[in-house]
Amino acid sequence: DAGITQSPRHKVTETGTPVTLRCHQTENHRYMYWYRQDPGHGLRLIHYSYGVKDTDKGEVSDGYSVSRSKTEDFLLTLESATSSQTSVYFCAIEGSGTDTQYFGPGTRLTVL
Amino acid sequence: QKEVEQDPGPLSVPEGAIVSLNCTYSNSAFQYFMWYRQYSRKGPELLMYTYSSGNKEDGRFTAQVDKSSKYISLFIRDSQPSDSATYLCAMSESGGSNYKLTFGKGTLLTVNP
Repeated sequence: DAGITQSPRHKVTETGTPVTLRCHQTENHRYMYWYRQDPGHGLRLIHYSYGVKDTDKGEVSDGYSVSRSKTEDFLLTLESATSSQTSVYFCAIEGSGTDTQYFGPGTRLTVL
Repeated sequence: QKEVEQDPGPLSVPEGAIVSLNCTYSNSAFQYFMWYRQYSRKGPELLMYTYSSGNKEDGRFTAQVDKSSKYISLFIRDSQPSDSATYLCAMSESGGSNYKLTFGKGTLLTVNP
């Protein structure tokens, strides 16, 4: 395992409610990423972080915000969840010394 | 044109067959190429990693990169039912501070016993 955990693993929520997903790493890596995976679209980058308090947008960042106050934790927040945000969310960390990424187990989010 | 194109399949083969999975890409700046395997309801798992052109072998798996054709392949020899998964290709431009990966949409493979 790459030392990545995600919580919760499953969540069902209602439209308009705020949701926060957590990614935790034990590897002390600088780079962390949030992706969503949807049928027909594959993996799409939402936001990424290159250090504590340093974050940037990916290709599908609208409706999402992130925070990183500690090296080991990267939070993804949906301020007001919509049904279009029903998806599987994956966190990833950089591979040591390579241009690769290692993924967490995923969070399955359903917005009703 | 999408940056990375990958046939979604599904691909169904008998056990023991040789499987060929492919991706094409349009960005000539890509230098790092990866294959991920993703089992149902699991996270993607890094399977193979290559830099620039050439071949890399790891057990039953061989990754090939042809940068002149902008084409990468993953071959699986003596395929097993446990190889049944979705295979994702991924690539990136350079090392250093740019760790952004561009993914194909994945090919669903089923190996039948």
